Amino acid sequence: GQNIDQPTEMTATEGAIVQINCTYQTSGFNGLFWYQQHAGEAPTFLSYNVLDGLEEKGRFSSFLSRSKGYSYLLLKELQMKDSASYLCAGMDSNYQLIWGAGTKLIIKP
Amino acid sequence: GAVVSQHPSRVICKSGTSVKIECRSLDFQATTMFWYRQFPKQSLMLMATSNEGSKATYEQGVEKDKFLINHASLTLSTLTVTSAHPEDSSFYICSARGEREGYNEQFFGPGTRLTVL
Repeated sequence: GQNIDQPTEMTATEGAIVQINCTYQTSGFNGLFWYQQHAGEAPTFLSYNVLDGLEEKGRFSSFLSRSKGYSYLLLKELQMKDSASYLCAGMDSNYQLIWGAGTKLIIKP
Repeated sequence: GAVVSQHPSRVICKSGTSVKIECRSLDFQATTMFWYRQFPKQSLMLMATSNEGSKATYEQGVEKDKFLINHASLTLSTLTVTSAHPEDSSFYICSARGEREGYNEQFFGPGTRLTVL
């Protein structure tokens, strides 16, 4: 079956670094997405990985290991506005997104 | 580019009435659109996949007669919640499949908050 696993909740301190892990199992693979979702809002795109390695975009980076079925989202220099849920989603062979339950990130001053 | 709009953003209705939600891709054509529902503190739940010009494919457990989906054009899909009840109160989000830098992605609308009294 298809499955995405990620931690339910994480807490970090403003200015610090946090890594949110995600493991995935999909029928076929067309990439791994990370989305950010603030409460009461729709998800917004953060990153896409389809090849192994690290993709860096400013304070956010995303890593993929296809052989391990593993990805992580790295957030640096955390700001209070980064408090949100972070959704990991794998795209299967039908280009359908398989969603994780999301990781609620709490930032403390 | 790749903007998806959704209307209305918020709706309150009485139990037993029907509510229509529109999803539009504003600057690209979307042959496939998706409808999601999200309850508080839960992840997105795919309800159905909507393909232009054909019947929608519903996920298991989603009543097709209750959640009517029409994808009449390459830029518009509608979701009608028929005979709405309080348990249908939720956040409904649409997305449209498009291309970003050579790969497929889903672009999300801003969502519709439905409250059924």
